[in-house]
Amino acid sequence: DAGVIQSPRHEVTEMGQEVTLRCKPISGHNSLFWYRQTMMRGLELLIYFNNNVPIDDSGMPEDRFSAKMPNASFSTLKIQPSEPRDSAVYFCASSQDTGPTNEQFFGPGTRLTVL
Amino acid sequence: GQSLEQPSEVTAVEGAIVQINCTYQTSGFYGLSWYQQHDGGAPTFLSYNALDGLEETGRFSSFLSRSDSYGYLLLQELQMKDSASYFCAVRDNAGNNRKLIWGLGTSLAVNP
Repeated sequence: DAGVIQSPRHEVTEMGQEVTLRCKPISGHNSLFWYRQTMMRGLELLIYFNNNVPIDDSGMPEDRFSAKMPNASFSTLKIQPSEPRDSAVYFCASSQDTGPTNEQFFGPGTRLTVL
Repeated sequence: GQSLEQPSEVTAVEGAIVQINCTYQTSGFYGLSWYQQHDGGAPTFLSYNALDGLEETGRFSSFLSRSDSYGYLLLQELQMKDSASYFCAVRDNAGNNRKLIWGLGTSLAVNP
């Protein structure tokens, strides 16, 4: 398996622009997580999907952020409009509910810079 | 609120043993996990404890005491490649919500 795939790997955009991050989870995994990581706040969970349904979006910072999971193999995180404080590394992770360890498999991340 | 506390930095030398502690305050407890993250990389799973005691996986071991809300990751025979950040994380919900509560991470520097 190729692991969790994220695109793009790097994104540089200007304030006010729309940014869309993409994630393909590991086949057969039914949980998907979007995280944001910064030096100041560490690893923050933004939203969690189970069987394509959003279960917990309490970490989504504000209405500028939205996430979708139209099917089991694809999810997007959109920021509109983007702001400099959104600059961070965004990780997507997936896991399989039947596993005893709750192990989450992380993608390589998208490094977002908003100028 | 819910929180996990771990030291921000630890320094050790090659060949030594280091212990990274994690204390947690969560509304529920359904397992303590440890992840490793190298600079510029993604977190990768190291270990999981659901019951009290020590779990050993090669040079790494993880311990849990649920009565003390405490766990630790033990790294033995340290190598330079072990320089990384280490995160503890707790699952606090037994139901459909499988999210993890994360610590802020411990940066481990292994010196020659």
